[in-house]
Amino acid sequence: DTAVSQTPKYLVTQMGNDKSIKCEQNLGHDTMYWYKQDSKKFLKIMFSYNNKELIINETVPNRFSPKSPDKAHLNLHINSLELGDSAVYFCASSRKVVFQRRLDNEQFFGPGTRLTVL
Amino acid sequence: AQKITQTQPGMFVQEKEAVTLDCTYDTSDQSYGLFWYKQPSSGEMIFLIYQGSYDEQNATEGRYSLNFQKARKSANLVISASQLGDSAMYFCAMREGVRRYNFNKFYFGSGTKLNVKP
Repeated sequence: DTAVSQTPKYLVTQMGNDKSIKCEQNLGHDTMYWYKQDSKKFLKIMFSYNNKELIINETVPNRFSPKSPDKAHLNLHINSLELGDSAVYFCASSRKVVFQRRLDNEQFFGPGTRLTVL
Repeated sequence: AQKITQTQPGMFVQEKEAVTLDCTYDTSDQSYGLFWYKQPSSGEMIFLIYQGSYDEQNATEGRYSLNFQKARKSANLVISASQLGDSAMYFCAMREGVRRYNFNKFYFGSGTKLNVKP
């Protein structure tokens, strides 16, 4: 009963290739996100989706194209991979409507996908 | 301006002692949430504790407590009786509502790497 799952866990590929990372959440959340964590562990938000709609694109290159076929899935497709794309990519989800005192206000993270571009 | 600031890139603590990890935040919203996540070397993001902006009492979860000082805009994490397994990266985060899109945006600090010495 994994809450947020990502596949694959590891991805090694050559520069210039196109690859996809899949994300699914079974929490019934409306909002999903993609983060990139670089080698210095800095977490950078890439995209925010709300009910299948792109809400925020945080100045990510056009080579990155998220797709949300339904509100439980948010996949990330990357074209023409570059060396600088090597990182850990995290998918996350959260509630849209927030109740101050409820204990499930946080973002739930997937296990991450370690992408290595050679 | 940075939304979340963690000024301690690395910290050491002796096993069984308490440690405080600093976090300050910047928001003009009245309603927001503050979170701490732990990221061990295995890479997953583990939710630790949450504090709502309207909560008058500091949040506690087992050995974790959040020292919430609203006027100072600080949300420090206190870990009591440190254990070797507490060695990890710790991220402070804030949830803010984005009224225009009616959803929540999360901001993360740069993290603090905690090492617990035996």
